[in-house]
Amino acid sequence: DGGITQSPKYLFRKEGQNVTLSCEQNLNHDAMYWYRQDPGQGLRLIYYSQIVNDFQKGDIAEGYSVSREKKESFPLTVTSAQKNPTAFYLCASTPRSRTSGNLDTQYFGPGTRLTVL
Amino acid sequence: AQSVSQHNHHVILSEAASLELGCNYSYGGTVNLFWYVQYPGQHLQLLLKYFSGDPLVKGIKGFEAEFIKSKFSFNLRKPSVQWSDTAEYFCAVNAPSGNNRLAFGKGNQVVVIP
Repeated sequence: DGGITQSPKYLFRKEGQNVTLSCEQNLNHDAMYWYRQDPGQGLRLIYYSQIVNDFQKGDIAEGYSVSREKKESFPLTVTSAQKNPTAFYLCASTPRSRTSGNLDTQYFGPGTRLTVL
Repeated sequence: AQSVSQHNHHVILSEAASLELGCNYSYGGTVNLFWYVQYPGQHLQLLLKYFSGDPLVKGIKGFEAEFIKSKFSFNLRKPSVQWSDTAEYFCAVNAPSGNNRLAFGKGNQVVVIP
């Protein structure tokens, strides 16, 4: 079964703790993304990676970190420096378009809802 | 930087009514345009996309969107909605000459009353 998996579905953490959200894909996609979704805010890009061992900051990278050691995995760490971490986090991946070299449709995982107590 | 505007965040309408959701973007060059939908409790999924060619794009579930380059718009339409169209709809823009990332609008929460 091909797709993107995110775990856990719900996550609770105490203030001041770091927590890592998992994202795995078996679609053989090159690029992977992390978004944060808040009510009325749409999706905001945290980090993205176009290739293994490389990643770039998105619009709201402060307080987050990522790694891309394997093509299929792109974990996101929410650090204690993130001032407002309670949110719904979405991971996505996309192949590189064969015709134009540009990125194609993004495929999304089911998301992880993080609540900081 | 690219930005995407979606108006009327909350839309409530009755079954069989027509739906049109506006999307405007700020990027001036060549763009790829997308509409994504998030049904309650489900993954975000692609509704339709435009890369090039016919500016009127047909998507799944009877949705269509029209790219009007002069207006920097990519409005989504459905002539007759059903209760099952209740969802949140997001417009997104990718500039191929940029850094290969999507910019999303804030979304439209659509509620269809049976």
